[in-house]
Amino acid sequence: DIQMTQSPSSVSASVGDRVTITCRASRSANNWLAWYQQKPGKAPKLLIYAASSLLTGVPSRFSGSKSGTDFTLTITSLQPEDFATYYCQQADSFPLTFGGGTKVEIK
Amino acid sequence: EVQLVESGGGLVQPGGSLRLSCAASGFTFSTYEMNWVRQAPGKGLEWVSYISSSGSTIHYADSVKGRFTISRDNAKNSLYLQMNSLRAEDTAVYYCARDYEHRDYFDYWGQGTLVTVSS
Repeated sequence: DIQMTQSPSSVSASVGDRVTITCRASRSANNWLAWYQQKPGKAPKLLIYAASSLLTGVPSRFSGSKSGTDFTLTITSLQPEDFATYYCQQADSFPLTFGGGTKVEIK
Repeated sequence: EVQLVESGGGLVQPGGSLRLSCAASGFTFSTYEMNWVRQAPGKGLEWVSYISSSGSTIHYADSVKGRFTISRDNAKNSLYLQMNSLRAEDTAVYYCARDYEHRDYFDYWGQGTLVTVSS
């Protein structure tokens, strides 16, 4: 199984800040990684797939990258609607696995 | 408009059974792989099960293997999860989720149905 270790578990930031979230895979997940945003009481929303491809309609301030087995979600110029919990998910092999989540809070 | 609507959640005693349903609309259900994903209260997301578009390929998380059964009825545009031998740790909101471009990412999710396992 591929374990996904996500960090940090929480981050406090202000509107306009740049936020970076990292997921480390326990072994190669190739490029098969997605990022989701979840707000309280709502279902998750797919933001990025294949490590760096932005889903249609997702603002360009969101971006994804990969280096080895490390995957990064970057939010440039944080907006009020971006305060949420973010999850990574590997889609390389079953069982599909998620990172533990990162809560982006208002400073 | 793509819609996924789960039903069938509720309170059940440990060792009991429950069957969840997910009604799909707004897309050609028979051509999409589908999944169940759950979230325990205050916790993160956990993938539970996958079924291919035809139903011929199925995968489960180790935590539910042998107890849960995923199935689908393409004629009724419906996905199911039969849950047996339920445990307290199965308490969660259960979401059905559609595969994105056949690559096991999830682009559409239902609103979720809460399953509570407690005596």
